[in-house]
Amino acid sequence: NAGVTQTPKFQVLKTGQSMTLQCAQDMNHEYMSWYRQDPGMGLRLIHYSVGAGITDQGEVPNGYNVSRSTTEDFPLRLLSAAPSQTSVYFCASRAGTGAATEAFFGQGTRLTVV
Amino acid sequence: AQSVSQHNHHVILSEAASLELGCNYSYGGTVNLFWYVQYPGQHLQLLLKYFSGDPLVKGIKGFEAEFIKSKFSFNLRKPSVQWSDTAEYFCAVTEGGGGNKLTFGTGTQLKVEL
Repeated sequence: NAGVTQTPKFQVLKTGQSMTLQCAQDMNHEYMSWYRQDPGMGLRLIHYSVGAGITDQGEVPNGYNVSRSTTEDFPLRLLSAAPSQTSVYFCASRAGTGAATEAFFGQGTRLTVV
Repeated sequence: AQSVSQHNHHVILSEAASLELGCNYSYGGTVNLFWYVQYPGQHLQLLLKYFSGDPLVKGIKGFEAEFIKSKFSFNLRKPSVQWSDTAEYFCAVTEGGGGNKLTFGTGTQLKVEL
């Protein structure tokens, strides 16, 4: 059981470039979300989805887009990369219809924008 | 919006010392509480969770946490830490009754010295 798979693991971008971080889960979870992790700031929610075709903004959505065309996949798009987007990005998925479920995390993508 | 505070940012302990990490949340309604651990270079993993019932929750690897509703707290404890407990620890909360957003604290970096 692969769980939550993120690609790539590492990426370096130039300012202004765009890219897509991939996230896939094989647990048939309804909820998926993207976080960024920065030193001293914990994990901050970027975007989340409660099911295919439904997405919503989190705490820090600016500069990022998401879509959820299937239950399994939840890609995160950086439209025009900026140095402030240098961070470690984690995708997570959760099951169920309520709040009392465990989140499973991917291995993370370390992104550097130069 | 709910928020989570972790007051200890860095903790250094010797092996066999006792551990208590503080966590306070701001939401006044029903909550679900989690502690996650991130070992160096790895993704987040669930240590323990509280949904309802006994406020003293036991998790993996000898960790436990106590939910004190009157203090809005969910402190993590371990009687005797090991070198392998060196990691970053995150407290997180979702609102009960269907809240989808998992909100994290800023994390506590624990270093256990031999």
